[in-house]
Amino acid sequence: GQQVMQIPQYQHVQEGEDFTTYCNSSTTLSNIQWYKQRPGGHPVFLIQLVKSGEVKKQKRLTFQFGEAKKNSSLHITATQTTDVGTYFCAGVFNAGNNRKLIWGLGTSLAVNP
Amino acid sequence: DSGVTQTPKHLITATGQRVTLRCSPRSGDLSVYWYQQSLDQGLQFLIQYYNGEERAKGNILERFSAQQFPDLHSELNLSSLELGDSALYFCASSTRDTEAFFGQGTRLTVV
Repeated sequence: GQQVMQIPQYQHVQEGEDFTTYCNSSTTLSNIQWYKQRPGGHPVFLIQLVKSGEVKKQKRLTFQFGEAKKNSSLHITATQTTDVGTYFCAGVFNAGNNRKLIWGLGTSLAVNP
Repeated sequence: DSGVTQTPKHLITATGQRVTLRCSPRSGDLSVYWYQQSLDQGLQFLIQYYNGEERAKGNILERFSAQQFPDLHSELNLSSLELGDSALYFCASSTRDTEAFFGQGTRLTVV
């Protein structure tokens, strides 16, 4: 079945260091979504990548979608304490009228001030 | 505010009992998803409904069931509750190809 693996599970960084989380799918994705969940909160949508090789930036966050549409990454430059939370990827698989979201287990980011 | 409403916010119940969690999706969203998130765990997809019909099933136990009503609100029924069912249950809604909007969640504690 379709699976989305996300690594690492946890990452602890000093404020100002960079951070990257990776998602890998067992099969080709239609698109991929990224979400952030703050401690005690609910997941909030960050971005959706659709095209092969797509790169999108949101301030210090850079999102990439692989050429084969099977992997993706989220990179945060110069982390801040406000970046703390769990980052989830969700692979979107379209099969006819069925649209499935398969979630990675998330990467929990802790930032030391 | 995501526009997705979940009730109740907190629920404490005893083992063996049955509870119903309710979700009102964003206006116009036809898809509703239910997720379970245990402490320090990721999001476990339970089930998806689209316009009243079951669309996809995840790791949903047989003791759990869900439905989506004609007005598009959804309910998740959890029965014969066990201690291990204690978790945060999220509902999310979306239109066909856009992002999912999550509710604030229902925190279920089984004692």
